[in-house]
Amino acid sequence: RKEVEQDPGPFNVPEGATVAFNCTYSNSASQSFFWYRQDCRKEPKLLMSVYSSGNEDGRFTAQLNRASQYISLLIRDSKLSDSATYLCVVNTNAGKSTFGDGTTLTVKP
Amino acid sequence: NAGVTQTPKFRILKIGQSMTLQCTQDMNHNYMYWYRQDPGMGLKLIYYSVGAGITDKGEVPNGYNVSRSTTEDFPLRLELAAPSQTSVYFCAGRDSGPLGGYTFGSGTRLTVV
Repeated sequence: RKEVEQDPGPFNVPEGATVAFNCTYSNSASQSFFWYRQDCRKEPKLLMSVYSSGNEDGRFTAQLNRASQYISLLIRDSKLSDSATYLCVVNTNAGKSTFGDGTTLTVKP
Repeated sequence: NAGVTQTPKFRILKIGQSMTLQCTQDMNHNYMYWYRQDPGMGLKLIYYSVGAGITDKGEVPNGYNVSRSTTEDFPLRLELAAPSQTSVYFCAGRDSGPLGGYTFGSGTRLTVV
């Protein structure tokens, strides 16, 4: 079993749709959690950190469930520009992180 | 503010050749990393460093070497290039501590023929 697993996707949704991605992690000692966005042939960029109480940034909402060891990302009112691959990242022990393989989202007109 | 800078952006190597991928950062990150990403796949950690003079192997270190003589620079050396090393290489830095997020360089696309 991988340390971090994501919904494989791809997710194909129409503009305006709400879409949610999940990510599970196996190390209960994991300390911090992030969502990154990666556009085709580009470097990953930090989308948002994930806090225990949940957090929102505009149309994006991230949730953490430590008991069940998963994090989620909800995108409301999807835009064409949201089309990308979304990476879940878990920071475990000092210095190292584990990246999920990513979930691909395509938003269609 | 340059962030994390990688050079070159593209390179074609012949089998058996060697090269160094350069990475420099001006964000004073203690932690630096080299990842590779094969087409359609996730990131795999090659080597990382938690500070000048300290390096450690990641998930896929074979065929690579690194050094960290300064906080700013973290070059990746490929010796005896093989077709299996065809990939996109990303250098990244982040602040120490669990809350640090990554800043990635724009990547080096390497093809070994």
